[in-house]
Amino acid sequence: SQKIEQNSEALNIQEGKTATLTCNYTNYSPAYLQWYRQDPGRGPVFLLLIRENEKEKRKERLKVTFDTTLKQSLFHITASQPADSATYLCALDMEAGRRALTFGSGTRLQVQP
Amino acid sequence: DGGITQSPKYLFRKEGQNVTLSCEQNLNHDAMYWYRQDPGQGLRLIYYSQIVNDFQKGDIAEGYSVSREKKESFPLTVTSAQKNPTAFYLCASSIAGELFFGEGSRLTVL
Repeated sequence: SQKIEQNSEALNIQEGKTATLTCNYTNYSPAYLQWYRQDPGRGPVFLLLIRENEKEKRKERLKVTFDTTLKQSLFHITASQPADSATYLCALDMEAGRRALTFGSGTRLQVQP
Repeated sequence: DGGITQSPKYLFRKEGQNVTLSCEQNLNHDAMYWYRQDPGQGLRLIYYSQIVNDFQKGDIAEGYSVSREKKESFPLTVTSAQKNPTAFYLCASSIAGELFFGEGSRLTVL
């Protein structure tokens, strides 16, 4: 079966360091992959979309890579700040012909001041 | 302001009762979605609609129903057939693949 895997353990880092989160998926070859941020009790907020023919994408302090051979995406936050503390979700279009996203379970990031 | 409005934010229901969650958007998006989130878990797709008067089942549609009579509105009914309805429900709309989420509705069954 198709699956998206994100590290369920929280990631704790010091302010100013680079946070790296991983998203792995199985079986399917998605046309694109997305990353969202979710704060407790709130709806997710879109951050970045990367397509299958793109290796890397950047937006301010955020960088996403997409390796379709490894079936993996890495999400980096450089110069991290306590305000970056949240849960980060990756999402893919996992089913051919179904125009809806499947989400991973998310990784909680805690940035210590 | 453009966005997605979900109501109510908190809802309590007795076992055996149906309840309807509202989702309204003024973004002029064609596609709308309902997801369910349980504590410490990701989002699971309940239903989605790509266009008015059409909708499809997601991964966990059993015990839920939807309608899409207007472009702006995509209400979700949690029926008594849903065995474990206590959860955080999220509505979203989409254009160009990116999802815009509402603030969620937290349903608790007493």
